[in-house]
Amino acid sequence: QVQLVQSGAEVKKPGSSVRVSCKASGGTFSNSGISWVRQAPGQGLEWMGGIIPFFGSAKYAQKFQGRVTISTDDSTNTSYMDLTSLRSEDTAVYYCARVSGSWLDPWGQGTLVTVSA
Amino acid sequence: DIQMTQSPSSLSASVGDRVSITCQASQDISKNLNWYQQKPGKAPKFLIYDASNLETGVPSRFSGSGSGTDFTLTISSLQPEDIATYYCQHYDNLSPSLTFGGGTKVEIK
Repeated sequence: QVQLVQSGAEVKKPGSSVRVSCKASGGTFSNSGISWVRQAPGQGLEWMGGIIPFFGSAKYAQKFQGRVTISTDDSTNTSYMDLTSLRSEDTAVYYCARVSGSWLDPWGQGTLVTVSA
Repeated sequence: DIQMTQSPSSLSASVGDRVSITCQASQDISKNLNWYQQKPGKAPKFLIYDASNLETGVPSRFSGSGSGTDFTLTISSLQPEDIATYYCQHYDNLSPSLTFGGGTKVEIK
């Protein structure tokens, strides 16, 4: 049973960047895919992008194009989400999730990123 | 882009009630529709795939139906542990991209 464990909470200044990691245990990303989803306080789920093996490269939601980079390191079964030019509106819980078919399962526990001066 | 609209945004029902949540797609998505449950402070949990197929381990009081543009998640007999926000989700394999509905918060009356 694959489990996804994410890195810890981060506090960042506006304009800086953040890297969140997501390590898989009990399985790999190589045969499936990985997506990153964020949830601002009191808000719904928002897909940021992901890596789908069929396409061979990361795909991103238009809203985050140019600011987000999603990658995977198959040697360590770890995925990374890098978000740059942080602003207060990026304060959110960031989740990784494995892509299984057309759905996301399982999910990581979430990583709170707080952007504050 | 395909938009997913959920209704209602919140509902209050009594234990044992039958509860239904709807999700409408802005265009025909066949049965490419999944449902999740998110309890406060927790990550979403996958419930139903391809509109009507229950994930292993999900209680049978949960069911999904629909195709095309209109979908429904039904809880046949609401239990206290079902208090959560429910999200529908569509995967567009042409883009590719994922889109979530806005969520429906279920509370106990």
